[in-house]
Amino acid sequence: GQQLNQSPQSMFIQEGEDVSMNCTSSSIFNTWLWYKQDPGEGPVLLIALYKAGELTSNGRLTAQFGITRKDSFLNISASIPSDVGIYFCAGRLVGGSQGNLIFGKGTKLSVKP
Amino acid sequence: EAQVTQNPRYLITVTGKKLTVTCSQNMNHEYMSWYRQDPGLGLRQIYYSMNVEVTDKGDVPEGYKVSRKEKRNFPLILESPSPNQTSLYFCASSLPSGKLYFGPGTRLTVT
Repeated sequence: GQQLNQSPQSMFIQEGEDVSMNCTSSSIFNTWLWYKQDPGEGPVLLIALYKAGELTSNGRLTAQFGITRKDSFLNISASIPSDVGIYFCAGRLVGGSQGNLIFGKGTKLSVKP
Repeated sequence: EAQVTQNPRYLITVTGKKLTVTCSQNMNHEYMSWYRQDPGLGLRQIYYSMNVEVTDKGDVPEGYKVSRKEKRNFPLILESPSPNQTSLYFCASSLPSGKLYFGPGTRLTVT
């Protein structure tokens, strides 16, 4: 099936540092979603993107829908310990059905106080 | 509070013993789906439903059944569970915009 390449797989950073992660594909998407999953919980939606070039913020988080429509980026500024978790990207292909999302394998973020 | 609920949250069972994991959403979403999450494999879709009485296979449907008799409920049925179905399961529902909302998860162990 279709694949999303999410990188990096894991990150170990110091509190206060900025974080960047991305998802890429060879296919074209019309929706990008970013989720965070805390241990033992379900993924929680952070940001949704619907147009190429769109840049959307949610507090210290900023995500962008790539111009080529094949990628998306998530940045976290001034990380804090509660940012720890696994971050997933998800995309809906052009022509794909509602909710039929493809997920990246996640970026595991660890923050050292 | 708008939410997706799943029950049970944890389940240990034996091979071959039929089980059902319930899922319910109170957001009037038409779209619902089930995923399993395994280390190194990420989230994989099992089944999805576009509306009442409309269901379709996802990427890994073997060994699972679903039904959608009411809009709010979407149970996952394992007729004869096997150890390779040990996993973390998530139910989710979606707006037409594609925003998917997940339940808290059900951790299933099949011995």
